[in-house]
Amino acid sequence: SQTIHQWPATLVQPVGSPLSLECTVEGTSNPNLYWYRQAAGRGLQLLFYSVGIGQISSEVPQNLSASRPQDRQFILSSKKLLLSDSGFYLCAQSGGTHSPLHFGNGTRLTVT
Amino acid sequence: DQQVKQNSPSLSVQEGRISILNCDYTNSMFDYFLWYKKYPAEGPTFLISISSIKDKNEDGRFTVFLNKSAKHLSLHIVPSQPGDSAVYFCAAANDYKLSFGAGTTVTVRA
Repeated sequence: SQTIHQWPATLVQPVGSPLSLECTVEGTSNPNLYWYRQAAGRGLQLLFYSVGIGQISSEVPQNLSASRPQDRQFILSSKKLLLSDSGFYLCAQSGGTHSPLHFGNGTRLTVT
Repeated sequence: DQQVKQNSPSLSVQEGRISILNCDYTNSMFDYFLWYKKYPAEGPTFLISISSIKDKNEDGRFTVFLNKSAKHLSLHIVPSQPGDSAVYFCAAANDYKLSFGAGTTVTVRA
């Protein structure tokens, strides 16, 4: 079965600093990959998704970006963090349409 | 634009009784629906799904009902157990993208 690795589990960063969150997937090939964010007391917001290497779709305009340099690697980045970027970031993968998403354990980001 | 809505932020139920969670959606293009369970500081865990060609899907204690004409789905948990205390999210899919509701916090009382 597939395994999703996300790190770090928690991160505290000052405003204006850069960000790089990494997600790797094991046990599957050519997965669809996703980045979601859960802000405090709110639902899951889709940020980016990717159906293949180098293919990134952005759902929400913001100061974040995503990249997929390898089939099973998905990276979320920012050049300068804002206070509003604080939240719980989740990486997920699926095998295609009509397949459930499976999530990693997330990264709790606090921007101070 | 909230396309998937869970209007009850919380639900308290006695152990052994039925838990009923509700979800409404607005996008008629959604054709695949899911429920997830989430504990604090963890990623959501997939529970059960249903395709738009069905109106019911059952898996053990969990049953999902879909009413397409009303754009409404529900999750029934019978019987409720203390380990079911968590946040439950409904989700709806159109092609590759899943849209999530805001979640319902379920508390199962002993």
